[in-house]
Amino acid sequence: AQSVTQLDSQVPVFEEAPVELRCNYSSSVSVYLFWYVQYPNQGLQLLLKYLSGSTLVESINGFEAEFNKSQTSFHLRKPSVHISDTAEYFCAVRPRGSTLGRLYFGRGTQLTVWP
Amino acid sequence: GAGVSQTPSNKVTEKGKYVELRCDPISGHTALYWYRQSLGQGPEFLIYFQGTGAADDSGLPNDRFFAVRPEGSVSTLKIQRTERGDSAVYLCASSPGRHFQETQYFGPGTRLLVL
Repeated sequence: AQSVTQLDSQVPVFEEAPVELRCNYSSSVSVYLFWYVQYPNQGLQLLLKYLSGSTLVESINGFEAEFNKSQTSFHLRKPSVHISDTAEYFCAVRPRGSTLGRLYFGRGTQLTVWP
Repeated sequence: GAGVSQTPSNKVTEKGKYVELRCDPISGHTALYWYRQSLGQGPEFLIYFQGTGAADDSGLPNDRFFAVRPEGSVSTLKIQRTERGDSAVYLCASSPGRHFQETQYFGPGTRLLVL
């Protein structure tokens, strides 16, 4: 069975400050890891994903996440946030080798960036 | 090109009524997923189609929920005898259907309110 824990339901930060959104997972098998973002009044969009290779993955808008197998974590970071980063962020996993494509999501972290 | 579309965007119904929610996937995508997102929670998997067949329906909460995809494109999620607890945002996602590392593209969702 798989589960995803996002430890913070809300993270308020000031513009240009660094931020880390935490994600831990539990799984009996290896997993693929994803971060999705949901901007106000929009659908979920893929932000970045870890499939294999380098454990550090980056998005086009400055976010990065590092897969830590020993700690079963995939925390999302950005060194300097903008007001436009205000959104809800969801961590998700999918078991490797499964013939079924379902994603298992965490409950989300609302990031609010203040001027 | 066009993304995943869902209709209606909002649906208000009374307890005990029947509702249908529609999903138009990205053209050519053979994999289609339904998720349900309750307030304050992450999306929860309902059902996965590969082509016309339901490859995994283990997430459907009970036999009041049913989904079809008769021609391998548009899908309809059907809920009979709606209950107040069915109130949620129903999300549809599609992907090319070639491998399980691929990205799932989400629609904007249908917000269902059962009074």
